[in-house]
Amino acid sequence: KQEVTQIPAALSVPEGENLVLNCSFTDSAIYNLQWFRQDPGKGLTSLLLIQSSQREQTSGRLNASLDKSSGRSTLYIAASQPGDSATYLCAVILFGNEKLTFGTGTRLTIIP
Amino acid sequence: EPEVTQTPSHQVTQMGQEVILRCVPISNHLYFYWYRQILGQKVEFLVSFYNNEISEKSEIFDDQFSVERPDGSNFTLKIRSTKLEDSAMYFCASSGSRGTIYFGEGSWLTVV
Repeated sequence: KQEVTQIPAALSVPEGENLVLNCSFTDSAIYNLQWFRQDPGKGLTSLLLIQSSQREQTSGRLNASLDKSSGRSTLYIAASQPGDSATYLCAVILFGNEKLTFGTGTRLTIIP
Repeated sequence: EPEVTQTPSHQVTQMGQEVILRCVPISNHLYFYWYRQILGQKVEFLVSFYNNEISEKSEIFDDQFSVERPDGSNFTLKIRSTKLEDSAMYFCASSGSRGTIYFGEGSWLTVV
């Protein structure tokens, strides 16, 4: 059974700093990995998708990396802004499956 | 930008009542999903739907639950006889292929 873990559960950093969020998964036979953002009481906004054959993806100030062999992904946020404050979730799909398995998320607070 | 829309945004229902949650997926998407998130917990997969049939379902998705795509645009989740533990945020999602999965804003269901 796939388990997805995100550490730390919460993180506070001053505005302008670069930061890294971590995601680990137990089964490396993943089809793809997706990072989402969730604002309180809201839906999930897709940030980045990394296919199993890829090592990283970039979108603006965000960069996600994938290391399947070690079962890890990181989300790098450059030059953080208060608007980046949210919960960040990673989720994986295994080959042969349809479902996303989610981590518990990291609640990020950017301090102005 | 195309989006997944869900109605209602919030519903309060009495235990034992039937509930139907509605979703309009992104128009050219082929894969449809329901997920739920109990307050303070992980997002959990319920069911996936492709080519007018269920393609995968979780243990949560028992006989109390059903899904339907009654026409070319709507995708519904029915809970036949709600229980207190069904209280959660229910997310509809869709994807065009087995790539990025896009989520709606969710429907809060409160069972009293």
